[in-house]
Amino acid sequence: DQQVKQNSPSLSVQEGRISILNCDYTNSMFDYFLWYKKYPAEGPTFLISISSIKDKNEDGRFTVFLNKSAKHLSLHIVPSQPGDSAVYFCAASAKTGGFKTIFGAGTRLFVKA
Amino acid sequence: DVKVTQSSRYLVKRTGEKVFLECVQDMDHENMFWYRQDPGLGLRLIYFSYDVKMKEKGDIPEGYSVSREKKERFSLILESASTNQTSMYLCASSLRQVASGYTFGSGTRLTVV
Repeated sequence: DQQVKQNSPSLSVQEGRISILNCDYTNSMFDYFLWYKKYPAEGPTFLISISSIKDKNEDGRFTVFLNKSAKHLSLHIVPSQPGDSAVYFCAASAKTGGFKTIFGAGTRLFVKA
Repeated sequence: DVKVTQSSRYLVKRTGEKVFLECVQDMDHENMFWYRQDPGLGLRLIYFSYDVKMKEKGDIPEGYSVSREKKERFSLILESASTNQTSMYLCASSLRQVASGYTFGSGTRLTVV
């Protein structure tokens, strides 16, 4: 039973355009949501997080939107750059679950020059 | 530059062997985690630890054990390696605050033959 779902295995975007990566979750007890980026042969790198009490968090080119009623979050990258090509993992955490984080299966983003 | 270091990048072991995967962090983080990454399944939590000598089971602990004798070191042990434990193993550490995200090591690609 996947509590965090990324339904798109891959996404291809032209350089300079917007990339939108989507994530759905089932557990309404999650109180933090995070995005990680992973390059081949490296561990994931923390990108941005959002608390469940907010609906938007922005950091430079990266913005995460949270829609709690739909149990959906998305990561927007504007403008997309070739160096953004990587696998992006959506993740969620609940205080009641201790400090563990549940990860989605990942979406591979290709940014074409 | 803060780091999580995993002792081996690649390992090949035989079925039935006892396997030790070592992880060291230099950030004085309280929390440490072991995940495995498999295609289409994302990152799945094996074990985690809040503090020295403390450990908690994750979602897939069967066939694994852990040891945390010092704050900076978290070891994953495969008691009797099997071919279905062939995977990428990722160690991570974090502060207690969830929003700060995890710092991951580069991973160990384990192949059990």
